[in-house]
Amino acid sequence: GIQVEQSPPDLILQEGANSTLRCNFSDSVNNLQWFHQNPWGQLINLFYIPSGTKQNGRLSATTVATERYSLLYISSSQTTDSGVYFCAVHSWGKLQFGAGTQVVVTP
Amino acid sequence: EAQVTQNPRYLITVTGKKLTVTCSQNMNHEYMSWYRQDPGLGLRQIYYSMNVEVTDKGDVPEGYKVSRKEKRNFPLILESPSPNQTSLYFCASSSRTGDYNEQFFGPGTRLTVL
Repeated sequence: GIQVEQSPPDLILQEGANSTLRCNFSDSVNNLQWFHQNPWGQLINLFYIPSGTKQNGRLSATTVATERYSLLYISSSQTTDSGVYFCAVHSWGKLQFGAGTQVVVTP
Repeated sequence: EAQVTQNPRYLITVTGKKLTVTCSQNMNHEYMSWYRQDPGLGLRQIYYSMNVEVTDKGDVPEGYKVSRKEKRNFPLILESPSPNQTSLYFCASSSRTGDYNEQFFGPGTRLTVL
């Protein structure tokens, strides 16, 4: 099946800093999503982005489908950005998730 | 508001006592799915359904049952829960098959089996 790799596994940021999270996948995909899992365990949809670039407030994402990667940018990070960020691609009837990037934003 | 709901949100039960976790969506989605999340193992699919009366196994279906009698509901049934089914469970839905469409997740059900 398709492999999804995320980097870095952990990230510690000071409030106000910018960061980039990466997601590599092993095969072509029609569907890629980014999620934020908050400290209460809820999965929040951030982006549905099989290709191109999207922005939502301080967050933006870019997927280069031909090169099989996606990037999530967090700008001017806030403590509420803490949590785990997952990318997931659709393959054979399910979303295949990466292992996630644990982000901690300190005041 | 468009959403996926799950009940209960938290459940502590004992080995062998049958339970059902309900999932409902109000977006008229054809595709629904169940996942479990475990530390170190990530999110894994249990079962999915392409439409009413159509269900199929995911990666970890053992010990679970599902049914899809109505489009909006996709309950997860544990006939005889065991401690290794202690986990965080998510229901998800999307329109059509999910291949080309965004999937939306419920708030999660945290299950503990003693």
